Amino acid sequence: AQSVTQLDSQVPVFEEAPVELRCNYSSSVSVYLFWYVQYPNQGLQLLLKYLSGSTLVKGINGFEAEFNKSQTSFHLRKPSVHISDTAEYFCAAQSEWGGSNYKLTFGKGTLLTVNP
Amino acid sequence: SQTIHQWPATLVQPVGSPLSLECTVEGTSNPNLYWYRQAAGRGLQLLFYSVGIGQISSEVPQNLSASRPQDRQFILSSKKLLLSDSGFYLCAWTLDRGNEQYFGPGTRLTVT
Repeated sequence: AQSVTQLDSQVPVFEEAPVELRCNYSSSVSVYLFWYVQYPNQGLQLLLKYLSGSTLVKGINGFEAEFNKSQTSFHLRKPSVHISDTAEYFCAAQSEWGGSNYKLTFGKGTLLTVNP
Repeated sequence: SQTIHQWPATLVQPVGSPLSLECTVEGTSNPNLYWYRQAAGRGLQLLFYSVGIGQISSEVPQNLSASRPQDRQFILSSKKLLLSDSGFYLCAWTLDRGNEQYFGPGTRLTVT
């Protein structure tokens, strides 16, 4: 079993500022890690994922995340945000091993608000 | 390419009425299917998942049920809605561990 903690429920930033959304996970087995974005009244869309290899993962829309095994973290970053990045962001974990259900465990989400 | 549909997009139902939400996937075969619910400020709650036709696993005991009558069709039902059933319902699919879960556009349910 695993759990995912998103440390900030809301993050307000100004346009063109850098942002970091924090995610920590807890698991007794190795996990795959994902970041999803949800715009208002829409489904979730994958930003990026970490399966193995390089700990720095680049995703869509200029986002990147770094996997840190010792700190059990997978923080999402963007060097310069735009108004259009305003959305809710979800971190998720999936066990590398197990049955065929492929379930994801989601954090509670971080609402990123980009102000002009 | 694969697509996922959900309908209706919005629904307002009185307490005690029945519910049927439908999700269909196109362009893939034998996907795993999932129903999630989002309540305001509470993240995503996995309600049901299915690894094959007729195979349903429930994550949370409640007055909802799910069925998978065809490979790419997933239905969420209730005989009698409660106020607490209000929320945003999302359907998703995936093919394998480590792969992306693809989400539908969602159904906004308001129980009055």
